[in-house]
Amino acid sequence: EVLMTQSPDTLSVFPWERASLSCRASQSVSIDLAWYQQRPGQAPRLLIFGASTRATGIPAKFSASGSGTEFTLTISSLQSEDFAVYYCQQYHSWPWTFGQGTKVEIK
Amino acid sequence: QVQLVQSGAEVKKPGSSVKVSCKASGDAFTSYGVSWLRLAPGQGLEWMGGINPFSGTTNYAPEFQGRVSIIADESTSTAYMELNSLRSEDTAVYYCARGGFCGGGTCFLFDFWGRGTLVTVSS
Repeated sequence: EVLMTQSPDTLSVFPWERASLSCRASQSVSIDLAWYQQRPGQAPRLLIFGASTRATGIPAKFSASGSGTEFTLTISSLQSEDFAVYYCQQYHSWPWTFGQGTKVEIK
Repeated sequence: QVQLVQSGAEVKKPGSSVKVSCKASGDAFTSYGVSWLRLAPGQGLEWMGGINPFSGTTNYAPEFQGRVSIIADESTSTAYMELNSLRSEDTAVYYCARGGFCGGGTCFLFDFWGRGTLVTVSS
């Protein structure tokens, strides 16, 4: 199965700053890559699919890029509701697999 | 808006089984499929298995094959996940989610989720 590795495990950011999260796949997943946000006590929420396409209702402050094995999620102007855990997930190969998550915390 | 309502928290003994339900509003599963995932302490999300809307079959992740059973009752729009031979490492929050399959050039990602069910395995 495809191993997804996210970095860093924890990212400390000041409010209103920008955060960049990385995700690496152990083999090419093309652009079959999604990002999810999970706030404390809530279910995950789909943010991005197709490596760079925002899901319905997701604001433009969330942007993503990459293909093959290297992917990035960028969150601009962080606000309180953006401090959460973010997961990448590949759907190129079965079984679909997730990264271990990056926690974005307030600095 | 699709809503998935899961059953409540469970405490189980090692070696026993747990069955978690997920009731959907409307026709959430038939066209899109349903998956079960879990989030264990200190771990990432794991896809356990689901009902494939393209084939009508149930698919399981290799590490759960033989120990998990997923079924759906279309008459009540309810999906069930039963995990057997529980061990302490199965302590986790279990989620149902719509989607989780690709077919015919279309992929249904996990776009709607239940709120999760905490399953604690402890002697």
